[in-house]
Amino acid sequence: GEDVEQSLFLSVREGDSSVINCTYTDSSSTYLYWYKQEPGAGLQLLTYIFSNMDMKQDQRLTVLLNKKDKHLSLRIADTQTGDSAIYFCAEKRTGGGNKLTFGTGTQLKVEL
Amino acid sequence: GAVVSQHPSRVICKSGTSVKIECRSLDFQATTMFWYRQFPKQSLMLMATSNEGSKATYEQGVEKDKFLINHASLTLSTLTVTSAHPEDSSFYICSARELGKTESGEKLFFGSGTQLSVL
Repeated sequence: GEDVEQSLFLSVREGDSSVINCTYTDSSSTYLYWYKQEPGAGLQLLTYIFSNMDMKQDQRLTVLLNKKDKHLSLRIADTQTGDSAIYFCAEKRTGGGNKLTFGTGTQLKVEL
Repeated sequence: GAVVSQHPSRVICKSGTSVKIECRSLDFQATTMFWYRQFPKQSLMLMATSNEGSKATYEQGVEKDKFLINHASLTLSTLTVTSAHPEDSSFYICSARELGKTESGEKLFFGSGTQLSVL
């Protein structure tokens, strides 16, 4: 099947920038999403990007999309302890209905 | 933003019993709801797509007779784990798509999840 891969773990110091990476294999992806999951909770949509865009910025969040390399990243500026969570990228594919394929998740730990 | 309420948040049951999980859209109507399963430190795996008034569509490998889905109204979908066994222990999450929203830029709203533990 088609996989969406993420690195498992990222540790940063408070105030630094965090960059979480995601690679996908299906070139027919239409939308790509970033979700945040805190312990024992559901998913919170952070941001999304349409596949014909290269970049989207929303306050502290910057999404970069390299469609040629099928690479998506999420940059969190001025990372805070409250940003500690698991971050999932997800893709929606052409013809896939409304289903999302989720990445493996990246555990972000913010240290003081 | 739109709110999806999922209950219960945690349930412990004996092997062989059935457990019902509810997913409600509180301030919008949801034509489509999705049920996911998540194992510890793993990603979400889509189990089935639930459409109001019709049969659910199950993903390959998911037993429809074991995981019964009912989407009887535009605001409620239920997942019943029948004759639960320890291997069914997992975190179950629902999500909902708002009525009238097109695929372009749509957002899915997620419930807070249900941790099922089968003894």
